[in-house]
Amino acid sequence: QLVLTQSPSASASLGASVKLTCTLSSGPSSYAIAWHQQQPERAPRFLMTIYPDGSHKKGDGVPDRFSGSSSGAERYLTVSSVRSEDEADYYCQTWGSGIQVFGGGTRLTVL
Amino acid sequence: DVQLVESGGALVQPGRSLRLSCSASGFTFDNYAVHWVRQPPGKGLEWVSGINWNSGNRAYADSVKGRFTISRDNAKRSLYLQMNSLRPEDTALYFCAKDHGVGWGAFDFWGQGTLVSVSS
Repeated sequence: QLVLTQSPSASASLGASVKLTCTLSSGPSSYAIAWHQQQPERAPRFLMTIYPDGSHKKGDGVPDRFSGSSSGAERYLTVSSVRSEDEADYYCQTWGSGIQVFGGGTRLTVL
Repeated sequence: DVQLVESGGALVQPGRSLRLSCSASGFTFDNYAVHWVRQPPGKGLEWVSGINWNSGNRAYADSVKGRFTISRDNAKRSLYLQMNSLRPEDTALYFCAKDHGVGWGAFDFWGQGTLVSVSS
């Protein structure tokens, strides 16, 4: 069974960096995942796809402050030089044969 | 620019039916899989259903299997979700999302959503 686990909350000070984690269950470390940002009262926005080798492919117009990486069953989203507009919910997503799965989301609070 | 515009959301009674539509523009619609994703009030994202580029592969979340039917009309650049036997727990904002490829993969564009409320 494909399950993605995210911490419910994270915080970062303005200008600092924060690393969000998405953990794949049952050891499917070969899966790619996608990260999506949902600002308050907005639709989700695709940020990037992260592949098992740590490479990533960003969506249109995603700032360089957002980067991705991978280690084993964990996939990361790093936000550098955090801005107030980065305060949002961040969801990871993965896919398998006939199924799509989302993590529970991490709410990032900017201090 | 890629655009996905959902419509058809409404307030309906339990047990009734509703059909959602998603109109696509700005990309070659019949080259990509498309999906429905929902978000109950104050909660996270839940994938509902997806359909590949030529309708040859359709999949559903267990929570809607047997009640919801996904379809697409490539000539009209449109995606649909027929929702039958609606339940209060189906209350959510329903998003249309474009897949990055012809089959299953990352969702790279989202619509703004249409609200479905199921209540007596």
